Amino acid sequence: GEDVEQSLFLSVREGDSSVINCTYTDSSSTYLYWYKQEPGAGLQLLTYIFSNMDMKQDQRLTVLLNKKDKHLSLRIADTQTGDSAIYFCADYNNNDMRFGAGTRLTVKP
Amino acid sequence: GAVVSQHPSWVICKSGTSVKIECRSLDFQATTMFWYRQFPKQSLMLMATSNEGSKATYEQGVEKDKFLINHASLTLSTLTVTSAHPEDSSFYICSARDTGSYNEQFFGPGTRLTVL
Repeated sequence: GEDVEQSLFLSVREGDSSVINCTYTDSSSTYLYWYKQEPGAGLQLLTYIFSNMDMKQDQRLTVLLNKKDKHLSLRIADTQTGDSAIYFCADYNNNDMRFGAGTRLTVKP
Repeated sequence: GAVVSQHPSWVICKSGTSVKIECRSLDFQATTMFWYRQFPKQSLMLMATSNEGSKATYEQGVEKDKFLINHASLTLSTLTVTSAHPEDSSFYICSARDTGSYNEQFFGPGTRLTVL
């Protein structure tokens, strides 16, 4: 089946930028999402991008999409300790949503 | 953004009992809701797709007689774990699709089930 892959861990210092990467295999994906999950909580939608876009910026968040390489990234500027969480990327096509395994972001003071 | 609630947020039960988890879309109507299961340190696994007024569609390997899904209204879907066993202990998350918002899925806060 189609896969979504992410690296499992990322550690940054407070104030630095974080870049979380994701690759997917389904070239027909219409939407790509980034979700945040804090300990013991459900998923919170951070942002999403249509497959016909290559960049979307929302305050401290920048999403880059390279459709040719099927590569999605989430950049968090000025990372804060409150950004520590697990970040999931997901792609959506034809009523089917697939998630990556999640990247655990640790922000050190 | 739209809000999806789940109830209860956590439940502990004895082996052999049944547990019902509710998923509600609070400020939008959802013809489609999804039920996911998340094991520790793993991603979400889609269990089933619930469509209002019709039978749920289960993913391969998910026992429909064990995980009963009812989507009786446009704002409520329920998941009943029947005859729960310790291996059913997990974090269950529902999501609801807002067809008025680019098919965006909104997730509930999750229900942690522990079966003793």
